[in-house]
Amino acid sequence: GENVEQHPSTLSVQEGDSAVIKCTYSDSASNYFPWYKQELGKGPQLIIDIRSNVGEKKDQRIAVTLNKTAKHFSLHITETQPEDSAVYFCAGMDSSYKLIFGSGTRLLVRP
Amino acid sequence: DGGITQSPKYLFRKEGQNVTLSCEQNLNHDAMYWYRQDPGQGLRLIYYSQIVNDFQKGDIAEGYSVSREKKESFPLTVTSAQKNPTAFYLCASSIGEAAYEQYFGPGTRLTVT
Repeated sequence: GENVEQHPSTLSVQEGDSAVIKCTYSDSASNYFPWYKQELGKGPQLIIDIRSNVGEKKDQRIAVTLNKTAKHFSLHITETQPEDSAVYFCAGMDSSYKLIFGSGTRLLVRP
Repeated sequence: DGGITQSPKYLFRKEGQNVTLSCEQNLNHDAMYWYRQDPGQGLRLIYYSQIVNDFQKGDIAEGYSVSREKKESFPLTVTSAQKNPTAFYLCASSIGEAAYEQYFGPGTRLTVT
């Protein structure tokens, strides 16, 4: 079945710098990869997603890239702001159309 | 205002008691899901339902039960058979049977002592 690994587990950046979080997946048939942002004590919020028929998707300061050959995808946040501080989760869709989540990355943006 | 509601936000129970967590959505989504999140960890799937009156076990269904009598509602019962029930419980839904664009509720933090 699908397995999703995420790294780093923690990431600290200076405000204004870029942050990159990487995930790898095991099932080559997986075709949907969302990213979620979770603030303390709240439910995860879908921030961007990508399907396997495209290699990159952007939405303002965030972007996701997908490398199907290498089976990895990454979240890129540019011009980071303190409000970007949160836990970020990647996920892949398994053959039963359910999401398999990575273990999360705690991002800290230092003012 | 469309969305997913979970109540209550905090729930306290004594060991040995069953407890039911509420999840309601007004998004007209077909599929609903329950996840468990432990401190510093990812999300693990407990149960999911892709259609009314049908549901499937996820990865950690032991000690839990669900029902899906209405499209809008997917309550989760944490039974006394669940050995370590203290956790943050998240309900989610998606528009179709597959988990594309899955949206989460605010969560219920259950503490069992």
